[in-house]
Amino acid sequence: GNSVTQMEGPVTLSEEAFLTINCTYTATGYPSLFWYVQYPGEGLQLLLKATKADDKGSNKGFEATYRKETTSFHLEKGSVQVSDSAVYFCALRDTGTASKLTFGTGTRLQVTL
Amino acid sequence: NAGVTQTPKFRVLKTGQSMTLLCAQDMNHEYMYWYRQDPGMGLRLIHYSVGEGTTAKGEVPDGYNVSRLKKQNFLLGLESAAPSQTSVYFCASSLPGFERKSPLHFGNGTRLTVT
Repeated sequence: GNSVTQMEGPVTLSEEAFLTINCTYTATGYPSLFWYVQYPGEGLQLLLKATKADDKGSNKGFEATYRKETTSFHLEKGSVQVSDSAVYFCALRDTGTASKLTFGTGTRLQVTL
Repeated sequence: NAGVTQTPKFRVLKTGQSMTLLCAQDMNHEYMYWYRQDPGMGLRLIHYSVGEGTTAKGEVPDGYNVSRLKKQNFLLGLESAAPSQTSVYFCASSLPGFERKSPLHFGNGTRLTVT
């Protein structure tokens, strides 16, 4: 079956630090990969996506590259801000009926001044 | 532009009580989902629907029932609530399954506590 593994948190960084959140996956088909962000008390918002190997998704300074050879989709940002503090979820959507989203367990990011 | 709307936002139940969570979407999406979110476990799929009048079980369906009488609405029912059902529940909707490039759109969640 499909699965997504994320690095455990929490991740605590100072403002302007470089961020990497690791994500690896297993899938039976040809999945699309997503990063969602959840701010406190809110639902999940799509942050970025990549739909095929070597695609790079980007949004709000965040980037992630779909690496089929290493089955990875690591999230990066060059300079984090306090407002980036949130929980980040890696997810995949595979081909097939219903095409459900499979999530990682989430990584909490805390950015301090 | 409402997107996916969940009601209620919060609810406290006693063990054995019943309730229904309502999800409504205005994006004309075929597919709808119910997930629960628990600390350290990410989001787990409870039930889903691929169209009006259809429902199917996800990973953790026990203790829940669902109905999709109208395309825009997806109801999640708890017939006899248990403390293990204390969680945050999220509804989502999406384009059909073959549109794997399309993301799921989520509501803001319902926080349920069962005492």
